[in-house]
Amino acid sequence: EAAVTQSPRSKVAVTGGKVTLSCHQTNNHDYMYWYRQDTGHGLRLIHYSYVADSTEKGDIPDGYKASRPSQENFSLILELASLSQTAVYFCASRDWGENTGQLYFGEGSKLTVL
Amino acid sequence: GDSVIQMQGQVTLSENDFLFINCTYSTTGYPTLFWYVQYSGEGPQLLLQVTTANNKGSSRGFEATYDKGTTSFHLQKTSVQEIDSAVYYCARNMGYKLTFGTGTSLLVDP
Repeated sequence: EAAVTQSPRSKVAVTGGKVTLSCHQTNNHDYMYWYRQDTGHGLRLIHYSYVADSTEKGDIPDGYKASRPSQENFSLILELASLSQTAVYFCASRDWGENTGQLYFGEGSKLTVL
Repeated sequence: GDSVIQMQGQVTLSENDFLFINCTYSTTGYPTLFWYVQYSGEGPQLLLQVTTANNKGSSRGFEATYDKGTTSFHLQKTSVQEIDSAVYYCARNMGYKLTFGTGTSLLVDP
């Protein structure tokens, strides 16, 4: 069964610290995405990637970096975590069948920055 | 630019009530439209999608019609159940990106 797994599922970080959120997919999908979820803002796209070793900026990339070392793995990196980055982060992979493109989401990573 | 508008942040209903959630989208191009549902503690999952204007999508008793004339893609269900309590997101696809609305939290009282 297709799966997207995220780690860690929950993390507490200090302001100014480095945080890495990891995502692994077994869907054999080329496209992967990182979204953040906040009350009142819904899901907003941070970064995405359509091939290994390449990443693209989404709608809110400031303060985040991304890394795609292989088709299966996609990481989100916060070099200097800030209070405003407290949120739930979702990774997703995308199926491009018949020009539609369903997203398959992981279960989310809850980040609290103190 | 690309945008999806959901005005209802929260909806509370009783079982067997009729559900109607508004969604409107910006008019750039001919996007594919989606409704995603997110149950507590889980990631969002696809509920239904429609790729062609003026077509209808349906799944698990939910329906949505892609109305290009009014740029709307409202979600409806005739009789909601407690298990339908979740957050519902309207979304549009343009190229590589999927843009989501702000979500509507549905609470169904038993």
